[in-house]
Amino acid sequence: GAGVSQSPSNKVTEKGKDVELRCDPISGHTALYWYRQSLGQGLEFLIYFQGNSAPDKSGLPSDRFSAERTGGSVSTLTIQRTQQEDSAVYLCASSLSGANVLTFGAGSRLTVL
Amino acid sequence: AQSVTQLDSHVSVSEGTPVLLRCNYSSSYSPSLFWYVQHPNKGLQLLLKYTSAATLVKGINGFEAEFKKSETSFHLTKPSAHMSDAAEYFCVVSEGKGTYKYIFGTGTRLKVLA
Repeated sequence: GAGVSQSPSNKVTEKGKDVELRCDPISGHTALYWYRQSLGQGLEFLIYFQGNSAPDKSGLPSDRFSAERTGGSVSTLTIQRTQQEDSAVYLCASSLSGANVLTFGAGSRLTVL
Repeated sequence: AQSVTQLDSHVSVSEGTPVLLRCNYSSSYSPSLFWYVQHPNKGLQLLLKYTSAATLVKGINGFEAEFKKSETSFHLTKPSAHMSDAAEYFCVVSEGKGTYKYIFGTGTRLKVLA
């Protein structure tokens, strides 16, 4: 696609429910990142995928968070048993391998009540 | 370890006056440095990047930044602010080409007054 597409753009859920956030990167971009942006904070790295290599999951804050990337393209970030502190904007970015420039999606705003 | 500090969380300028958004970094290696802009409800957009070529980097929309190794700074400037420049700006450091680790500053919100 022309840009990085994320869905849903807004999600309101109740504490304890599971949510899935989707990212469709730019076609041909082999690298894909998930970041979390909380109010007044910088971007917090969550996970990085590069081609068929094992992902770097070092930024996932707890085992309630997981992500997968199927076929080297679309990625899904899953948060199980959501907590209020999970409320944030979740941003996805993609890049060409080694290109050193990230292209971001518009984000998915998650609100946990 | 890398780090980046944006010295001002909020900056207000009048339309037509200069903009200065400050960023200091720490890196053990030759860093790559970036400025991204985020307009409300939009994704982050690359303004400019420094990757060890010219120290004065020109970006989009009239912005530029100067890499000063001696001061470990990468401040963003624009000679004349426009209303459309109102947004949040993020300074970003990475350890250079070939790495995938990016460290984001906490952002500076720019307000432009009519």
